[in-house]
Amino acid sequence: DGGITQSPKYLFRKEGQNVTLSCEQNLNHDAMYWYRQDPGQGLRLIYYSQIVNDFQKGDIAEGYSVSREKKESFPLTVTSAQKNPTAFYLCASSILPATTEAFFGQGTRLTVV
Amino acid sequence: GNSVTQMEGPVTLSEEAFLTINCTYTATGYPSLFWYVQYPGEGLQLLLKATKADDKGSNKGFEATYRKETTSFHLEKGSVQVSDSAVYFCALIPDNYGQNFVFGPGTRLSVLP
Repeated sequence: DGGITQSPKYLFRKEGQNVTLSCEQNLNHDAMYWYRQDPGQGLRLIYYSQIVNDFQKGDIAEGYSVSREKKESFPLTVTSAQKNPTAFYLCASSILPATTEAFFGQGTRLTVV
Repeated sequence: GNSVTQMEGPVTLSEEAFLTINCTYTATGYPSLFWYVQYPGEGLQLLLKATKADDKGSNKGFEATYRKETTSFHLEKGSVQVSDSAVYFCALIPDNYGQNFVFGPGTRLSVLP
């Protein structure tokens, strides 16, 4: 079945450590996105990529980094520079041009301990 | 710029009650409009969509009509169930290439037995 997979579902990190969240899709979508969701809040765009080896900052890119070496994969690294990294992270993908829906993964809940 | 506004929640209803969640948008041209649903601890799932004016999207008893004249896409269901308890997001994608999805803040619905 085609879909978008995020791993792990739960992740714990010590302060000062970098951590990488995985996102893989087998939908052959060109565009991929990372969103952050805080409790009771909406989605905020961190980074997005419309083509391999290219990506753009979203609204809250500071303290995060991404790569897009393969069409299927768009990992997100939460660096120690991110002041408040505890949140629910959602990855999504879509065709281009994005005239139809985005498909979402199940999310990764990151907790800094 | 592009934006989506939703009614504030939480919305609490009794089972079998009628549901309306208001959504209005600001965008140039003819964006595509979506309703997504998020169950606790999960990613977003597409509930329904409409891609042009006067289109009605429908799924699982939910409906929404694309109203260009009022820039609205209100979500309705005639008889809610406990299992409909979730957070509902209204979203749009502009019709010009290269634009990203825009999400509303979400509306939490609780349905009581």
